[in-house]
Amino acid sequence: DAKTTQPTSMDCAEGRAANLPCNHSTISGNEYVYWYRQIHSQGPQYIIHGLKNNETNEMASLIITEDRKSSTLILPHATLRDTAVYYCIVRVRTNAGKSTFGDGTTLTVKP
Amino acid sequence: GAGVSQSPSNKVTEKGKDVELRCDPISGHTALYWYRQSLGQGLEFLIYFQGNSAPDKSGLPSDRFSAERTGGSVSTLTIQRTQQEDSAVYLCASSLGPQANYGYTFGSGTRLTVV
Repeated sequence: DAKTTQPTSMDCAEGRAANLPCNHSTISGNEYVYWYRQIHSQGPQYIIHGLKNNETNEMASLIITEDRKSSTLILPHATLRDTAVYYCIVRVRTNAGKSTFGDGTTLTVKP
Repeated sequence: GAGVSQSPSNKVTEKGKDVELRCDPISGHTALYWYRQSLGQGLEFLIYFQGNSAPDKSGLPSDRFSAERTGGSVSTLTIQRTQQEDSAVYLCASSLGPQANYGYTFGSGTRLTVV
């Protein structure tokens, strides 16, 4: 699986959009981009995933660049409960098997 | 149940004792994964089961660690002769299948403390 690079930490004001970047410059055409988050003392939670097109669900939006070498997770109106570690990972399309989680980005939403 | 269930939620054991950690995946999920997370660290892959295929054991840190999955459902992770460095949160996840368009659902984990 391709390696991902994320900033170690970010801050965001409550009510504002949180934009979390992820670089995956070695991604191949058959790899998905996944985002999970882990709120303190809980198991990771699936947020969203995509292959080529931008995706949106009730939690977030995922913007993937045209060359697929980077992506951005957008939380449109961050709340204090969105404070968590956010993990960006890539997975091969078929028989993906295990996923490798990096260190993620610690997002702190401030009042 | 609706989610991935892990038991016990907390386990304190003496160094040298054996422990068993249990994971009940979501019904119908054929893929099951074990990870562990030491305090302040990221997730470390341990083992992966998919259907009746041989498990991917490449992440098990030593031969004191083993896991089985019976009937394609419940999984048990066993740690023999526990050491203090085994103290961590052990997380189980399941997914509908091995394909990359199926995300993981994680349980709440078992916090293991070896004293």
